[in-house]
Amino acid sequence: TQLLEQSPQFLSIQEGENLTVYCNSSSVFSSLQWYRQEPGEGPVLLVTVVTGGEVKKLKRLTFQFGDARKDSSLHITAAQPGDTGLYLCAGVLSARQLTFGSGTQLTVLP
Amino acid sequence: GAVVSQHPSRVICKSGTSVKIECRSLDFQATTMFWYRQFPKKSLMLMATSNEGSKATYEQGVEKDKFLINHASLTLSTLTVTSAHPEDSSFYICSASIGTGNTIYFGEGSWLTVV
Repeated sequence: TQLLEQSPQFLSIQEGENLTVYCNSSSVFSSLQWYRQEPGEGPVLLVTVVTGGEVKKLKRLTFQFGDARKDSSLHITAAQPGDTGLYLCAGVLSARQLTFGSGTQLTVLP
Repeated sequence: GAVVSQHPSRVICKSGTSVKIECRSLDFQATTMFWYRQFPKKSLMLMATSNEGSKATYEQGVEKDKFLINHASLTLSTLTVTSAHPEDSSFYICSASIGTGNTIYFGEGSWLTVV
């Protein structure tokens, strides 16, 4: 059973469209991270959110941490083909151990 | 450059043989490293926590006698897949942190194919 559930699991959209990926859990995390991963490579950290209700922006990406620190969302504005990849949320547990979400495979078509 | 390095990046082995994957922290000491397994287009699943100088802590369902972890030094953890079978074919990734910081560095991953 996945501790963190992501939705949607797969998403294929046209260039220029907006999208939102959700990450939900019944557990409370001290912080939550979002990663993007290319095939055959390790995941790359995009952002860490710590405070309930926190919103962080990274160019066209907007990350939000739920007030109760159980859920998070990633919104991409005007998606580009370069945004294609596997997006993973991860709850930070003790000793920097991560529990990863189920993942969202995003494909942006030109 | 890479902060955490894995070797080999790709390995093919025959069924029944054993294969070792190394995870090194570069320019820092890591008392704890983590090993993950990932199937294509799926998420990372934590296999075990590697502790320097002591036994690894395995997640539920992970066979400790099959996936041997050794953390002999503060910069090196190894994962040995023993008596490998085709179903062990997967992408294996390690991670480590610097000191007590919350930044977690991942290795480049190692593709294992068992034929």
